[in-house]
Amino acid sequence: DAKTTQPPSMDCAEGRAANLPCNHSTISGNEYVYWYRQIHSQGPQYIIHGLKNNETNEMASLIITEDRKSSTLILPHATLRDTAVYYCIVRVANYGGSQGNLIFGKGTKLSVKP
Amino acid sequence: AAGVIQSPRHLIKEKRETATLKCYPIPRHDTVYWYQQGPGQDPQFLISFYEKMQSDKGSIPDRFSAQQFSDYHSELNMSSLELGDSALYFCASSLGGTQYFGPGTRLLVL
Repeated sequence: DAKTTQPPSMDCAEGRAANLPCNHSTISGNEYVYWYRQIHSQGPQYIIHGLKNNETNEMASLIITEDRKSSTLILPHATLRDTAVYYCIVRVANYGGSQGNLIFGKGTKLSVKP
Repeated sequence: AAGVIQSPRHLIKEKRETATLKCYPIPRHDTVYWYQQGPGQDPQFLISFYEKMQSDKGSIPDRFSAQQFSDYHSELNMSSLELGDSALYFCASSLGGTQYFGPGTRLLVL
């Protein structure tokens, strides 16, 4: 079973920031938080991941609480093309050998509206 | 940048037929994962390979088998196809952590 809880759906106005929450209260010390999104039956797209520090890349920012029990993905200026299902996934990042499959939960369906 | 390549992109088969899906990972990636996504469902992990050896196994039916070849490409072989096998099949590859997904193969079993 997925180790994360996300709201099933959210709306966001185009041009505004989209803040997607995720609860992962049972996360272990060696588990990372990964975010992927899937745009209508396309392959899941990697967005960002982090362990305990906040992270930012060209797509989004990831804010992880100090106790690591929850996180928020921020899309700073949402566009219509950001409409997708967003998945928050926790997993161990192993290097070499078994590297851990992804367990997808239900995700959050984000609708960006004009 | 090079991405994961999957072929074919679409496949139509009859019940009880066989199907072979192919996955070409991002160059230098050593791990391949296979996922199945049924209609209206979330992706489910099937099987993975690291350095040509099976590394993890998920909810893969016994009718399915897979392998990773010396050039790191992988094939998912599906026999005795059933209507319920109709789904999107995604391959992902990685090198030390983050998985990158291909565009998927849409399989329709009639």
